[in-house]
Amino acid sequence: EAQVTQNPRYLITVTGKKLTVTCSQNMNHEYMSWYRQDPGLGLRQIYYSMNVEVTDKGDVPEGYKVSRKEKRNFPLILESPSPNQTSLYFCASSRLAGVDTQYFGPGTRLTVL
Amino acid sequence: QKEVEQNSGPLSVPEGAIASLNCTYSDRGSQSFFWYRQYSGKSPELIMFIYSNGDKEDGRFTAQLNKASQYVSLLIRDSQPSDSATYLCAVFTGGGNKLTFGTGTQLKVEL
Repeated sequence: EAQVTQNPRYLITVTGKKLTVTCSQNMNHEYMSWYRQDPGLGLRQIYYSMNVEVTDKGDVPEGYKVSRKEKRNFPLILESPSPNQTSLYFCASSRLAGVDTQYFGPGTRLTVL
Repeated sequence: QKEVEQNSGPLSVPEGAIASLNCTYSDRGSQSFFWYRQYSGKSPELIMFIYSNGDKEDGRFTAQLNKASQYVSLLIRDSQPSDSATYLCAVFTGGGNKLTFGTGTQLKVEL
């Protein structure tokens, strides 16, 4: 089954404790992206990747890091989480950027205390 | 000015009616336009996308694009209670290779 998986689905952590949210797709997609969704602000792009070893900032990259060492995986790293990073996070992938269906993962609800 | 703007709603329509959802965008270089549906607590799912001016129909859904007016809309015919969700407009700008979403319009289809 074609899918985008994210782990963990729910996470409660404390300020400053490094964490990684994993994202994996099994569709051989080149384009992958991370979004955060907050009430009243909608979905905002954090980082995106056009292909392996090619990543770029989206609209809200501060406080986040990503890597794309393999085509299928695109982890999101919070080196020192803060309460303003409490949000619902979605990973997404598509075959190509902007011309294709973008498939979303199930979401990760993160709470930073 | 926001890059992609949508009326947050809620937009209430009776069952069987046509629901009209609107979206405006600011970047004239925008290349492709997407409509997603998101149920509460779920991830967005693509309804349809459009690249060229005019209408594109897929079942009960019609997307309309007017690049001169920087306007894209989604019509839902014969609205059903299962169509009740938040509808997200997204615009892809090739120069930045990024997809920008509006804040979404909540649609309620009433029996």
